[in-house]
Amino acid sequence: NAGVMQNPRHLVRRRGQEARLRCSPMKGHSHVYWYRQLPEEGLKFMVYLQKENIIDESGMPKERFSAEFPKEGPSILRIQQVVRGDSAAYFCASSKGLPPNNEQFFGPGTRLTVL
Amino acid sequence: LAKTTQPISMDSYEGQEVNITCSHNNIATNDYITWYQQFPSQGPRFIIQGYKTKVTNEVASLFIPADRKSSTLSLPRVSLSDTAVYYCLGGNGGSQGNLIFGKGTKLSVKP
Repeated sequence: NAGVMQNPRHLVRRRGQEARLRCSPMKGHSHVYWYRQLPEEGLKFMVYLQKENIIDESGMPKERFSAEFPKEGPSILRIQQVVRGDSAAYFCASSKGLPPNNEQFFGPGTRLTVL
Repeated sequence: LAKTTQPISMDSYEGQEVNITCSHNNIATNDYITWYQQFPSQGPRFIIQGYKTKVTNEVASLFIPADRKSSTLSLPRVSLSDTAVYYCLGGNGGSQGNLIFGKGTKLSVKP
């Protein structure tokens, strides 16, 4: 059973471009979470999705950021018109259900660098 | 969700037992304590979870006293490969399920 997969692992964008980060959850997992991590900091929650639904986006900036988890295919975190402050590691996690009895499994992350 | 406090860093030597204590004074009745481990350039990995008393698995032990205001992660006989950041999280996920990470404890194991 493959773990959570994220791609690309590294992404370089210039200011003003769009960044698309993809996450394939573990088989059988219908809950997906996105987190952002700045250097020397802990992970910060961004958004929680179930298939085709956004359950909680309280940690996601209101502008330029969006997320989806379509019926078919991976979850996508989209950042429009990127700025230097968007440079960070973005981690996706998946679970079968809600914690605490359903552990979140994390992917390897996508490291976004904005030039 | 409980706010947690843990040391910023710890040093140890190979073969020693390492205990990392986390305080969570405002933990709620239905909150669990969960520990994650993160290596550089990798996503966090679940280590152990408990509600009260002691929990042990193949990797670590977790001690939670009766008042549940703190917890201690115990790593027996650490090796160089245990060098990582360890996060203590308190909460039950609620209806959202999101995890609240602090800055964690950076453990450095020396030969």
